[in-house]
Amino acid sequence: EAGVAQSPRYKIIEKRQSVAFWCNPISGHATLYWYQQILGQGPKLLIQFQNNGVVDDSQLPKDRFSAERLKGVDSTLKIQPAKLEDSAVYLCANLRAGEQYFGPGTRLTVT
Amino acid sequence: GENVEQHPSTLSVQEGDSAVIKCTYSDSASNYFPWYKQELGKRPQLIIDIRSNVGEKKDQRIAVTLNKTAKHFSLHITETQPEDSAVYFCAASGGADGLTFGKGTHLIIQP
Repeated sequence: EAGVAQSPRYKIIEKRQSVAFWCNPISGHATLYWYQQILGQGPKLLIQFQNNGVVDDSQLPKDRFSAERLKGVDSTLKIQPAKLEDSAVYLCANLRAGEQYFGPGTRLTVT
Repeated sequence: GENVEQHPSTLSVQEGDSAVIKCTYSDSASNYFPWYKQELGKRPQLIIDIRSNVGEKKDQRIAVTLNKTAKHFSLHITETQPEDSAVYFCAASGGADGLTFGKGTHLIIQP
């Protein structure tokens, strides 16, 4: 597929701990998205980057979530402190020819 | 913001029959409507999309129709096969914007 790498693939933490996820849109595309997919639901957009700048972070819980994209390539998404309701799959996507392609995701379990 | 409604939540059809999944959207500015297929534990995969300047698009056994006036679009799968069993998500956006997803349809193909 359009080449989006994510790590780690799985993470288990206790509530109130912090966690970070990494994404590399291998194809090096300018636009990058982070989505949260809670079990049984569709993905929900958290943040959209265009190169290094944030285009849309209206649904990002900014009191605990943060994201950055350095040099317009890799991106990290951080949660601090985590809550039980943050248990979800965190998906990174790039944009190629007007279409969004997802990485494999990071499955986060907060206990 | 955009709101996407998707029906039905579960659809069971006999192998070889057709399946239809319907979605409505609220924002008349949306102009891009992709459909994703997600198998258990895997990433969403883009299967077909349509833009607002087109009324219908077909790719082998799958087709998508768009009615801009009524703000609804549908996915049609003909001659269903066991490998079509999955969760299907519709989504909407304004071009390169982040996607707003429906809640998903669990398609079950009965042998």
